[in-house]
Amino acid sequence: EVQLVESGGGLVQPGRSLRLSCTASGFTFGDYAMSWVRQAPGKGLEWVGFIRSKAYGGTTEYAASVKGRFTISRDDSKSIAYLQMNSLKTEDTAVYYCTRDIVVVTAIPGAFDIWGQGTMVTVSS
Amino acid sequence: AIRMTQSPSSFSASTGDRVTITCRASQGISSYLAWYQQKPGKAPKLLIYAASTLQSGVPSRFSGSGSGTDFTLTISCLQSEDFATYYCQQYYSYPTFGGGTKVEIK
Repeated sequence: EVQLVESGGGLVQPGRSLRLSCTASGFTFGDYAMSWVRQAPGKGLEWVGFIRSKAYGGTTEYAASVKGRFTISRDDSKSIAYLQMNSLKTEDTAVYYCTRDIVVVTAIPGAFDIWGQGTMVTVSS
Repeated sequence: AIRMTQSPSSFSASTGDRVTITCRASQGISSYLAWYQQKPGKAPKLLIYAASTLQSGVPSRFSGSGSGTDFTLTISCLQSEDFATYYCQQYYSYPTFGGGTKVEIK
C-alpha cells in the first residue's frame, strides 16, 4: 500500500525549532518530488515547500511565508522526507501534511496524489 | 503569487442534485489545476488534475472543466459521501489553493 506517515509534531514555544518526518512506503520514494502542505485550524490549505528528486538535484523551493526559516531535506535510503522548522511563530500553528507529487521525476511541484494523515504543530507560549 | 478564488464558499444541496463549484485564477494557468475533497479531520484527496483528468479510483460522477482562468468542478448526482469541502489548486507556478467550498446537506 502506498502510504505517507508524518511524525514529530507537538507543542513548541515561539522562536524554537521542530523537525517533522515523513516516512514513505509502497513506492520508490527516490523517484518522486515531495511537498509539505499545512492547514491552520479551521482554515484552508497552504503549500509550504518542495524537494525535487535526486534526478533534479534534490533542490528545494519554499513559500515566501517560510523561506529562510524552514528547510526540507530527504534521505532516499530510508524513504524519509524532513521538514526542519526554525524560528517558529504562532502563525505556523497548523496541521502539516506530507504529499507526493503525481508526476514521477518532476522539476516543479504539481498536483499531489498521496497525502499523509498530518501532524499537528502548535506554537504557543 | 497566483490567487485562486472559489465560489460559492458554501452551499446546501440534497442527494441526487447536480452541483457545480467554480474556481477563478488571478492570471492564466493553462490547465494546471487540481481539485481536492476534504472531510473533517482527514487529509485532502485528489479528485481531478490537469483540469479535467479524473484521478484513478474517483467516481465518474465527478468531472472538471476549464482552462486559462476559469474552471469548474461538477458532481453529476450528489451522494451522501460527497458532503465535504472542496479545494482547487493551481500548479502553473508555486502551488496555491482556493479558499474552499463547503457542501452541506440541505
